[in-house]
Amino acid sequence: AQTVTQSQPEMSVQEAETVTLSCTYDTSESDYYLFWYKQPPSRQMILVIRQEAYKQQNATENRFSVNFQKAAKSFSLKISDSQLGDAAMYFCAYHDSGYALNFGKGTSLLVTP
Amino acid sequence: DAGITQSPRHKVTETGTPVTLRCHQTENHRYMYWYRQDPGHGLRLIHYSYGVKDTDKGEVSDGYSVSRSKTEDFLLTLESATSSQTSVYFCAIGQPSETYEQYFGPGTRLTVT
Repeated sequence: AQTVTQSQPEMSVQEAETVTLSCTYDTSESDYYLFWYKQPPSRQMILVIRQEAYKQQNATENRFSVNFQKAAKSFSLKISDSQLGDAAMYFCAYHDSGYALNFGKGTSLLVTP
Repeated sequence: DAGITQSPRHKVTETGTPVTLRCHQTENHRYMYWYRQDPGHGLRLIHYSYGVKDTDKGEVSDGYSVSRSKTEDFLLTLESATSSQTSVYFCAIGQPSETYEQYFGPGTRLTVT
C-alpha cells in the first residue's frame, strides 16, 4: 500500500499569518491524485483542495494553495491569512488508479488570536 | 454538500453483541466506502463497494462484514463487537473513474464496553 507521511503532528499559527503543512508520499505510479481534507471539531471531513499528478500547475482554492513537487513526492498545503475557523485536523490523502484513498495520520492546526 | 447520512450517529454497545451501521446516499455514486478513524492512525479503509452486491475488503476488514442491496445503502456489520472496534466510523462515496474525490458522511461514534 502507498504510504502517506505527515511529519508534523501539531502546528500553530497566529491569526492572519501564513502556515505550511507538510506531506510526503511513496508511490511507483505516475498518475495519481492528491488531496487535503480538513476535519474541524464537528468531525465532518471536508475536502479542501485536490491536485492531479499530471498537472504541473499548483492547485489553489482561495486562501489555500499547494506546493506539489512530483519528483520529491511532496505535497504541502499553504494556508494564507489564517482564520480562527481554520483550526482543525488536516489530512493529506493519496489516490491512484485503485479504489481507495490512503490517508496520512494528520496534522492538528491551532490558530491563535 | 454531498447527500450522505449515517445512522446511528452515536452508539454504545456491549462486547459480543452484533452492531449494524447504515450509510445512505442520494448522489447515485457507484462506489461507497467504510473507514474507521483512530487516534494516531488517520482513516483506514475497512470495506468498499463498487456496485450493488459488489464488495471487497480493505486494509482493516477483520471482524467486519458489509452488504449493499441498493445503490443508495451500504451497511457495515460487526458480527460480535470487541473493544478494539471502538472507533469513529465514516462512510464515503466516490466516482474513481472520474474525479477520484471522495465525500464523507458525518461519522458514527461507536463505543464497545
